[in-house]
Amino acid sequence: GDSVTQMEGPVTLSEEAFLTINCTYTATGYPSLFWYVQYPGEGLQLLLKATKADDKGSNKGFEATYRKETTSFHLEKGSVQVSDSAVYFCALSDRGGTSYGKLTFGQGTILTVHP
Amino acid sequence: DTAVSQTPKYLVTQMGNDKSIKCEQNLGHDTMYWYKQDSKKFLKIMFSYNNKELIINETVPNRFSPKSPDKAHLNLHINSLELGDSAVYFCASSQEVSNQPQHFGDGTRLSIL
Repeated sequence: GDSVTQMEGPVTLSEEAFLTINCTYTATGYPSLFWYVQYPGEGLQLLLKATKADDKGSNKGFEATYRKETTSFHLEKGSVQVSDSAVYFCALSDRGGTSYGKLTFGQGTILTVHP
Repeated sequence: DTAVSQTPKYLVTQMGNDKSIKCEQNLGHDTMYWYKQDSKKFLKIMFSYNNKELIINETVPNRFSPKSPDKAHLNLHINSLELGDSAVYFCASSQEVSNQPQHFGDGTRLSIL
């Protein structure tokens, strides 16, 4: 079945540091890939997405590239801010079979950014 | 304007009780979902409805029963609550095709005493 593996957290950085959160996946079909962010006490918000190989999703300074050859979708940001502190989830949605848009999530990575 | 709204936000109740969580979306989406987030933040799908029809039913106890009176609503009823049901439950919605992002509610934190 489909699965998503994220790097273990928590991740603690100083403001303006470079961020990478690794994400790899396995899927039977042709998945779309997503990064969601969850701020404390809130629901999940879409951060960025990519729907096919070599697509790059970007938003709010965050970027991730859909790499089919390495089955990866790593999240990066060049300079993090305190306001980026949140839980980040990598997810896939497989178009095939009876998945019907079901999101399969990674385990989440807690990011804390200090001033 | 709230896109996906869940009520209540917090639910504290005793073991053995029956409770419901309501979800409404005003985005015109035709597919709605329920997810469960455990204490370690892990998210797992429970159910999905498309145009009021159940299309995904993961391995969830029979005590959990979703009901979709129309495309804009998907409620979750839970019978005979158990300690292990304590979690945050998220409702979400999307358009039918799977490459469209899902929009999430703010969650319902269920605590079983």
